[in-house]
Amino acid sequence: QSVLTQPPSVSEAPRQRVTISCSGSRSNVGNNVVNWYQQFPRKAPKLLIYYDNLRPSGVSERFSGSKSGTSASLAISGLQSEDEADYYCAAWDDSLNGPVFGGGTKLTVL
Amino acid sequence: QVQLQESGPGLVKPSETLSLICTVSGGSISSYYWSWIRQPPGKGLEWIGDIYNNRNTNYNPSLKSRVTISIDASRNQLSLKLTSVTAADTAVYYCARQEMQSMDVWGQGTTVTVSS
Repeated sequence: QSVLTQPPSVSEAPRQRVTISCSGSRSNVGNNVVNWYQQFPRKAPKLLIYYDNLRPSGVSERFSGSKSGTSASLAISGLQSEDEADYYCAAWDDSLNGPVFGGGTKLTVL
Repeated sequence: QVQLQESGPGLVKPSETLSLICTVSGGSISSYYWSWIRQPPGKGLEWIGDIYNNRNTNYNPSLKSRVTISIDASRNQLSLKLTSVTAADTAVYYCARQEMQSMDVWGQGTTVTVSS
């Protein structure tokens, strides 16, 4: 059971927009920054969004993050087939003194 | 550009110690936090622990009694030791650099199977 809650899967058609939710608590999402990672099969995770809504250099503007209270969201616009991957949210947890992760959301582009 | 490479035995027997090395290239291991993270087959990510400058370590309480993370600055390497392993420790193990509470650089991961 993951500390942060994400939907197991989402799907949407190409060129559409999809959002992935991430729910936590005051000790993690509510009190610390949220990061999002993208993971392709048999590959290492890649930092996609950090500090709630910032994109590392090289990450497409189609990816955006937001946070309100103890929930966060990742939005992907203009869906492309190459966006099919697993997406994980993460946040520092004050009780753990380390990061906690969501269970991951598998994105399918129909 | 910093790159990380994990290495170590792919097979460990139950009750033995899992030992992994992460070699940092393209940058110094100093002045950053470094984490170990694992991913059991078909499951999500679990933070194991982190280290800064071989002095400050933090471990996941669920693993704390079995984990040791250390740094060899002369070799630009960090290491992970996990004692008394069981099948539940079978996973892909990643090392990652920590920056502002995020993991901004990851190794490719190394698969460790616990089996007799």
